[in-house]
Amino acid sequence: ETGVTQTPRHLVMGMTNKKSLKCEQHLGHNAMYWYKQSAKKPLELMFVYSLEERVENNSVPSRFSPECPNSSHLFLHLHTLQPEDSALYLCASSPGQGNTDTQYFGPGTRLTVL
Amino acid sequence: GQSLEQPSEVTAVEGAIVQINCTYQTSGFYGLSWYQQHDGGAPTFLSYNGLDGLEETGRFSSFLSRSDSYGYLLLQELQMKDSASYFCAVRTPNNRGNTPLVFGKGTRLSVIA
Repeated sequence: ETGVTQTPRHLVMGMTNKKSLKCEQHLGHNAMYWYKQSAKKPLELMFVYSLEERVENNSVPSRFSPECPNSSHLFLHLHTLQPEDSALYLCASSPGQGNTDTQYFGPGTRLTVL
Repeated sequence: GQSLEQPSEVTAVEGAIVQINCTYQTSGFYGLSWYQQHDGGAPTFLSYNGLDGLEETGRFSSFLSRSDSYGYLLLQELQMKDSASYFCAVRTPNNRGNTPLVFGKGTRLSVIA
C-alpha cells in the first residue's frame, strides 16, 4: 500500500453517463495528480493540484473535470466520454512539487467506455 | 517536444544482471527517475538521479550522464518478483512554469528460471 487509495477500481460506463473517480491520500502531501495510462503509451499527465489549486491542465478535453475539495481528496468527474477514453486512470500525490519530490501512486481505476 | 526512449521488452534469467537504458530529449532537465509497475499495480518509485553518476539502493542501481542525455537502471541478482514494467521519467519545465514528470513508454522485464 502506498497511502493513496482510489475508488472504484473498475468502472464501465456508456458514452452518455456521468461518473466520478475518487482519490484519497493519507500521506499529508500538498500536491495531487491525475494521469492516464493507455496500452503501449507513456503515462500522460492530466492535471496537477498544489495546495488545492489547479496548477496544471495538460490540454485535457472538457469532458474530464477535476475537483480538489481539500489537500487529501481529488476527484475526476467524467461526462460524455468516448471509447478512446478507456484507460487506467492513476492518481498520485507528492509532498510538494520540488524536483526531488517522489510521487506516490494509487492502484488506479480501470475505465471502460462502451 | 519531449521524448524518452527505452526498450519495450527485456528478458533475463533469474540471478542474472539486467540493464534498462533510457535516452531523453527534453527542452530542460531536472533529474531522471525510475518507477516500477507490476501488472495490475500502482507505479512505485525506485530511484532518482539529479546529478551524474551512480545511485545504489540494494539490488537496484541507477546511472545518469547528463552530457549524453542518458541513464540506465541496473538490476542485480534478479528475482522472479522483479518481473514488471519499468518506467524512466524526466522532470522538465513546461511553458506554464511547472516541472512535471514526463514518462517513457516503459520496459517490460520478464525474469525466467
